[in-house]
Amino acid sequence: QVQLQEAGPGLVKPSETLSLTCTVSGGSMSSYYWSWIRQSPGKGLEWIGYMYYSGSTSHNPSLKTRVTISVDTSKNQFSLNLSSVTAADTAVYYCASWNTAMVPYYFDSWGQGIQVTVSS
Amino acid sequence: EIVLTQSPSTLSLSPGETATLSCRASQSVRSYLGWYQQKPGQAPKLLIYDASNRATGIPARFSGSGSGTDFTLTISSLEPEDFAVYYCQQRINWPPITFGQGTRLEIK
Repeated sequence: QVQLQEAGPGLVKPSETLSLTCTVSGGSMSSYYWSWIRQSPGKGLEWIGYMYYSGSTSHNPSLKTRVTISVDTSKNQFSLNLSSVTAADTAVYYCASWNTAMVPYYFDSWGQGIQVTVSS
Repeated sequence: EIVLTQSPSTLSLSPGETATLSCRASQSVRSYLGWYQQKPGQAPKLLIYDASNRATGIPARFSGSGSGTDFTLTISSLEPEDFAVYYCQQRINWPPITFGQGTRLEIK
């Protein structure tokens, strides 16, 4: 399993863009699918989307027009941008992954999570 | 979107007892359902995938069963470290991948 670590601002203003980065260690960027998941008291665990290093991607339809996920193999990182945020986007954001050699779409590696609050 | 409904919302048991947690899908997910454990302040941890397969390093007291729309996670001989929140997740019909709302297993 790879090790994942989220980074980014803990406070974002309404209508701005939430930007988070996940740094990967202990594995090849081409051997995993990279995903973002968030957790809030009101909505529980919510899958945001995933991206593979080749560019293959999928997003939650409820967020699709606001979400961009990108992968930077040179930096061993992947990122999340969520635009036009509101208070409803306040949550703990996790980066997560599954290995291409394992059963897909189950997340066997997770970051520790980062609390992001949307407030002016 | 497939909705996963977990029951009960809270389960109170003592160490040594057996826990039975349920997850019901709004439509068939065949056997493509997993279970996670989450402890306070930690990320979820994969326990079971595809209904009945234990993930790497998961003790044998954790077992999963079911298919179609009804699934069960059974934890036999509860250990103190097993008291946590448990989530189910489906992978057959996406996007989106969806999770249940969780069952809190607490010490009685």
